[in-house]
Amino acid sequence: DAKTTQPTSMDCAEGRAANLPCNHSTISGNEYVYWYRQIHSQGPQYIIHGLKNNETNEMASLIITEDRKSSTLILPHATLRDTAVYYCIVWSADGLTFGKGTHLIIQP
Amino acid sequence: EAGVAQSPRYKIIEKRQSVAFWCNPISGHATLYWYQQILGQGPKLLIQFQNNGVVDDSQLPKDRFSAERLKGVDSTLKIQPAKLEDSAVYLCASSFWGRDTQYFGPGTRLTVL
Repeated sequence: DAKTTQPTSMDCAEGRAANLPCNHSTISGNEYVYWYRQIHSQGPQYIIHGLKNNETNEMASLIITEDRKSSTLILPHATLRDTAVYYCIVWSADGLTFGKGTHLIIQP
Repeated sequence: EAGVAQSPRYKIIEKRQSVAFWCNPISGHATLYWYQQILGQGPKLLIQFQNNGVVDDSQLPKDRFSAERLKGVDSTLKIQPAKLEDSAVYLCASSFWGRDTQYFGPGTRLTVL
């Protein structure tokens, strides 16, 4: 599976949109971009995934660039409960390969 | 829909003792995964089952770790004997089929003294 690069940490004000970037320049054509988050002392929680097109669900939006070499996860109205480590994963099959993720801190 | 269940949630043992963890996947999910998460790191895959067969156990330390999924539903992960470096959270995940979205349980936090 392709590797990803994410910032170590980010801050965002409560109520604002949180935009989390991810670079995956070696992604292959059949590899999906998955996002999970992990709140302290809990298991990873699935957020969203996409292949080529932008995706939106009740939790977030995923914007994938046309060349698929990078993506952005958008939490439209961040709350304190969104403070967590966010993992961007490029995946085609078998087990997920987690990096260190981005520690997103929502400030009141 | 019930999520992935794991037990126990916490376990403290002394080194060289044995320990077992249990996982019940989401109903109907054929694929089951065990991950190890050491403090400060992302989860690392240990083993993947498809029904009751092993798909990938390349990162499982087979000299001390074993796992089974006898009837293709529940799974157990065992460590015998435990070492200090096995202190971690052990996460179970399941998916409907191999390339579908994985859903994680709450994990079992193991402390080896």
